[in-house]
Amino acid sequence: QKEVEQDPGPLSVPEGAIVSLNCTYSNSAFQYFMWYRQYSRKGPELLMYTYSSGNKEDGRFTAQVDKSSKYISLFIRDSQPSDSATYLCAMKKGSNYKLTFGKGTLLTVNP
Amino acid sequence: DTAVSQTPKYLVTQMGNDKSIKCEQNLGHDTMYWYKQDSKKFLKIMFSYNNKELIINETVPNRFSPKSPDKAHLNLHINSLELGDSAVYFCASSQVWGRGSGGPETDTQYFGPGTRLTVL
Repeated sequence: QKEVEQDPGPLSVPEGAIVSLNCTYSNSAFQYFMWYRQYSRKGPELLMYTYSSGNKEDGRFTAQVDKSSKYISLFIRDSQPSDSATYLCAMKKGSNYKLTFGKGTLLTVNP
Repeated sequence: DTAVSQTPKYLVTQMGNDKSIKCEQNLGHDTMYWYKQDSKKFLKIMFSYNNKELIINETVPNRFSPKSPDKAHLNLHINSLELGDSAVYFCASSQVWGRGSGGPETDTQYFGPGTRLTVL
């Protein structure tokens, strides 16, 4: 079993839809959870950062962490064509540990 | 004023050749990384340097050798290139390594635009 599992999609939704992206993980030592967005032919960029369990909201984006279920989610409200990208979950055990990435989910938002 | 830059952007070469990829960051960060992203978009760390000191060395062939002449630069040299080395290689940097309890200010990794390596 891989440490971090993420459905690669692809996921195609109409503009304005609510998008739900998810990752599961097996290592209970992970404490820091991130979502990176990667546009085609670009490097990943940090979108959301959460520590331990709970929710975090930033504009149209909400990150949720459920450590008891080892499950993290990213919700995108009112999705826009500019949200079309690959979304990668990432997590780490502590400040001096490496980041472990999921495989990424390719999202297309159709106008 | 690019934060993390890599050269070259594209690299096409024959099997068996030796090549280098260069990375520079102007963010004043202490820590730099090399990642490999395969054709299925899986991003995997290869190496990390903190203040010119190697701190992460994942299981990669010893044909891959990183070098950090100063904390703003991290280069990757690859000997005897193989077909399986074809991928996109990303350089990244973050502010600091291993200090305190972490947080977005210290942990956020800033990625370069990538170097697309094709081995023929």
